[in-house]
This record gives sequence, C-alpha cells and structure tokens, in this order.
Amino acid sequence: AQSVTQPDIHITVSEGASLELRCNYSYGATPYLFWYVQSPGQGLQLLLKYFSGDTLVQGIKGFEAEFKRSQSSFNLRKPSVHWSDAAEYFCALRVTGGGNKLTFGTGTQLKVEL
Amino acid sequence: GAGVSQSPRYKVAKRGQDVALRCDPISGHVSLFWYQQALGQGPEFLTYFQNEAQLDKSGLPSDRFFAERPEGSVSTLKIQRTQQEDSAVYLCASSLVPGPLEAFFGQGTRLTVV
Repeated sequence: AQSVTQPDIHITVSEGASLELRCNYSYGATPYLFWYVQSPGQGLQLLLKYFSGDTLVQGIKGFEAEFKRSQSSFNLRKPSVHWSDAAEYFCALRVTGGGNKLTFGTGTQLKVEL
Repeated sequence: GAGVSQSPRYKVAKRGQDVALRCDPISGHVSLFWYQQALGQGPEFLTYFQNEAQLDKSGLPSDRFFAERPEGSVSTLKIQRTQQEDSAVYLCASSLVPGPLEAFFGQGTRLTVV
C-alpha cells in the first residue's frame, strides 16, 4: 500500500530565511503528488501538485516543489518565508491509474520567528 | 456558495450519542469526499461520492459510520453510538471533476466525544 512520510514534525525558521519541508513517499510507480497548507481553524488549501513532466513545480504564495524519482521525494521550498506562512503543511499522494482518495502524511508544523 | 461549507463547526457529544455532520459542497461539484483527521495526524479518507452514488466507502472505520448524499449535493456523515476514539476533525471536500485531483476542502467539524 502507498504511504507518505514527513520526517519533520516541527520546523522553526526566521522570517526571511529559506524553507525546505521534506516529503518521502512509498509507491510502486510515480504517483500524483500534492502539498496542502492548513492554517488554524481553516480547511486544507492546495499549494501545488505534480502529475508529470517538469519535475520542478511552482505553486501559490511563492512555494515550489521538486519531484525526485530516485529519492522518492517531493520536497517543498520557499526562498524567503513570511510570518503569515506559519501553519501546518501536508504532503499527499494519489495513485496513478485511478483511485478515489488522497493519502496524507502526518504533517509538518511550521513556526516563523520574527 | 463560494466554498465548501460544513456545519456545525464544533460538536460535543456524550459517548453513545448519535451525531450528524453536514457538508454543503461547492455548487455543481460532482465529487464529494469525507476525511477524518485525528489530533496530530494527517487526514484519512473515509468515503467518496460521485453525484448521489457512494462509489467508495473503504475508509469508514466501522458500521457505526454512515454517509449519504441523496440528491447529489449536500452530504451528511452520521456516526451512531459515538465513542471517544471518534473524536477528530471531520473534513469534507468537493471537486468539479470525478476523483480527488482538484479537491477543495471545507473548514471541518471538530467532534469531541466526552
């Protein structure tokens, strides 16, 4: 069965610093991959997604992610973090060839120090 | 409406009570999903509707959980004889197209069973 691992439960960065959130997946082929953000009391908002093609994908709010097949990874990056980026971030996958569900990781809580 | 709307936002139930959680998807969206998010965890898939048809209920944890979408729009997730382990945030998502690739999430209903 497929799975998603987010190794970092909490990350703290200073405002203006760069950010990288890690995501590794386990699946027998290349899945569809997603990053979502969840602010307190809010639903999940889609930041970006990868289906195929260019392995570097751009998303909203200045985020990008890079798919690396050899490492089974899909890490999220941002060159300069803003205080408003403090939230919980979830990586998710959907299997290719169909499937009705997204499989989520356990999330990374991002704290931004001013 | 502008987004996926869930009600109530918060629900406290005594153990053994039945609860009903409502989801109003974005108008015209054919797909509707329910997820369960326990504290400190990522969302876990419960069930999927395409219009009024429940195509996948593989994630429902027990026969105490029941979901319906009788007219292909509003959906209700019902939990009978609630137990403490049912305490979680229940997220609803909808999508204009079949499947989860373009899903928009609601803010969720936080259920606390005491």
